[in-house]
Amino acid sequence: AQSVAQPEDQVNVAEGNPLTVKCTYSVSGNPYLFWYVQYPNRGLQFLLKYITGDNLVKGSYGFEAEFNKSQTSFHLKKPSALVSDSALYFCAVRPIYNTDKLIFGTGTRLQVFP
Amino acid sequence: DTGVSQNPRHKITKRGQNVTFRCDPISEHNRLYWYRQTLGQGPEFLTYFQNEAQLEKSRLLSDRFSAERPKGSFSTLEIQRTEQGDSAMYLCASSSQSDPYEQYFGPGTRLTVT
Repeated sequence: AQSVAQPEDQVNVAEGNPLTVKCTYSVSGNPYLFWYVQYPNRGLQFLLKYITGDNLVKGSYGFEAEFNKSQTSFHLKKPSALVSDSALYFCAVRPIYNTDKLIFGTGTRLQVFP
Repeated sequence: DTGVSQNPRHKITKRGQNVTFRCDPISEHNRLYWYRQTLGQGPEFLTYFQNEAQLEKSRLLSDRFSAERPKGSFSTLEIQRTEQGDSAMYLCASSSQSDPYEQYFGPGTRLTVT
């Protein structure tokens, strides 16, 4: 079955420290990979995507993610966290063949403390 | 605001009633998606349209659910004979033909079935 796993329900980090939010996937082939962020009472906002090419992709608000094919992972990273980064983060995959649908993980709540 | 809009934002209904939600995609986006998100979970795919054609439906979309996009612009999602298990946030997203990978999400319609 196709699935996305976000093993941490919550990640806590101090402001100014680097952050990592983990994501692994189980999809046949080479899927497209995405990160979205959800703030309270607001819709999902696109952060970044991996389609092909360089395994390190850069996105909005200073976030980046590294695609690792052998580990089937797509971890979200940021060198220096901000309090305003506190939100709910979702990893998603799109199986390449015959579908446009996104399969989402269960989300990771990021809490950045001052 | 030229983003995806959804109406109503909140809907409270009694079990057994029918409800209809509307989604207006970003202008000229030819693809439109519906997802459902329950508390503590990531969004789950329901269905999507390319122009007016409904191309894929999830098994989650029981026969009580129907979606339409009659003129290839706005879409409606109707739930007949609502059940308490239908309580969720219903999200709409759209994407363009020039960049089909990035889905832009609306703020969602929160449905509460009492």
